[in-house]
Amino acid sequence: NAGVTQTPKFQVLKTGQSMTLQCAQDMNHEYMSWYRQDPGMGLRLIHYSVGAGITDQGEVPNGYNVSRSTTEDFPLRLLSAAPSQTSVYFCASSLQRQGRAKNIQYFGAGTRLSVL
Amino acid sequence: DAKTTQPPSMDCAEGRAANLPCNHSTISGNEYVYWYRQIHSQGPQYIIHGLKNNETNEMASLIITEDRKSSTLILPHATLRDTAVYYCIVRVVAGGYQKVTFGIGTKLQVIP
Repeated sequence: NAGVTQTPKFQVLKTGQSMTLQCAQDMNHEYMSWYRQDPGMGLRLIHYSVGAGITDQGEVPNGYNVSRSTTEDFPLRLLSAAPSQTSVYFCASSLQRQGRAKNIQYFGAGTRLSVL
Repeated sequence: DAKTTQPPSMDCAEGRAANLPCNHSTISGNEYVYWYRQIHSQGPQYIIHGLKNNETNEMASLIITEDRKSSTLILPHATLRDTAVYYCIVRVVAGGYQKVTFGIGTKLQVIP
């Protein structure tokens, strides 16, 4: 059971370039999300999805696009990278069934992105 | 969801108990307390959760005060591998994680 898999682990981009951060989970989780982590800022929610075909914005969505065509995959797209998007990105997933206290959120290993 | 307050850093001697406090004074009756930790730069990992009773699992114990306004995560015999950032969060069971705030947590340093 692989859990949550993120690719790539590291990426360097030039300002204005585009790229897609991949996230896949094999636990049949309805809920998936993307966070960014900057020094001293904790984890900030970028976008999330409660199921295939459903996405919504989190706390810091500007500059990022997402889609959820399958339960397993939740890619994060940077259309025109900016230095302010230099960060560590984490994908996470969990069950979304209501009333379940043990809906644990599982995180990927992260993607370290530098935008020059 | 209620917000939480944690000390930014703590030290603990190896082999001793590490007691990490969390204040959640605005917690609602339908919100659970969860603890996660992040070792070095890895993704956060679930530790334990509870509503109002004390909880224990193979990783830690969770003590929640009777008024539920604060809690303490206890690592009974801290090892160097427990050096990490520990996050205390609260979550409405009926909701997802989209309304949960992961703050800066407590950086625990276990000292040899």
